[in-house]
Amino acid sequence: SYVLTQPPSVSVAPGQTARITCGGNNIGSKSVHWYQQKPGQAPVLVVYDNSDRPSGIPERFSGSNSGNTATLTISRVEAGDEADYYCQVWDSSGDHRVFGGGTKLTVL
Amino acid sequence: EVQLVQSGAEVKKPGESLKISCKGSGYSFTNYWIGWVRQMPGKGLEWMGFIYPGDSDTRYSPSFQGQVTISADKSLTTAYLQWSSLKASDTAMYYCVTKSSSWSGPFEYWGQGTLVTVSS
Repeated sequence: SYVLTQPPSVSVAPGQTARITCGGNNIGSKSVHWYQQKPGQAPVLVVYDNSDRPSGIPERFSGSNSGNTATLTISRVEAGDEADYYCQVWDSSGDHRVFGGGTKLTVL
Repeated sequence: EVQLVQSGAEVKKPGESLKISCKGSGYSFTNYWIGWVRQMPGKGLEWMGFIYPGDSDTRYSPSFQGQVTISADKSLTTAYLQWSSLKASDTAMYYCVTKSSSWSGPFEYWGQGTLVTVSS
């Protein structure tokens, strides 16, 4: 089955840029979606189809996808961005939905 | 406004059965896939499966096939997740989700979650 690999943690100072990666075999050929989950809350979709944002999501959240790595970029990081972030794709070979293991973003 | 409202927390014993629910509103219930995502304590998200209420077509993750049953009642705009015999390892938060109309699309909307605790 298709495997998505995320770093367990990323740390960044307020105002800086955070980059969270999601690795997978030829992931650049897939549509990648990103979810934010704050402690005690349900996940929220923040980026879909690699780089689109749902309404209400700040422009500071952006995404890219090429080769074997997709990236969620959070510009001008704020304390409120501290959360777990998950990538997700559709694995066409098995017609399954797959999540990455999640990355904990810490704002220093 | 799309809303997914899930049933309340459950505490069960191993071997017992359970059915939790998710009521959808604010959208055409029969025209969008609705499903379930598991999150075990301190762990990540796992897709379990989903159902298309329009024709009851149901898809399961291989990890959950045969372990749970997903169903839906169009008249009540409600989806269900059911176990016939719970195990301690079923202890988790379960989220109801709707999938976008695109087959490869994201889980657009999430319920608030239902905590299931299985303990003797």
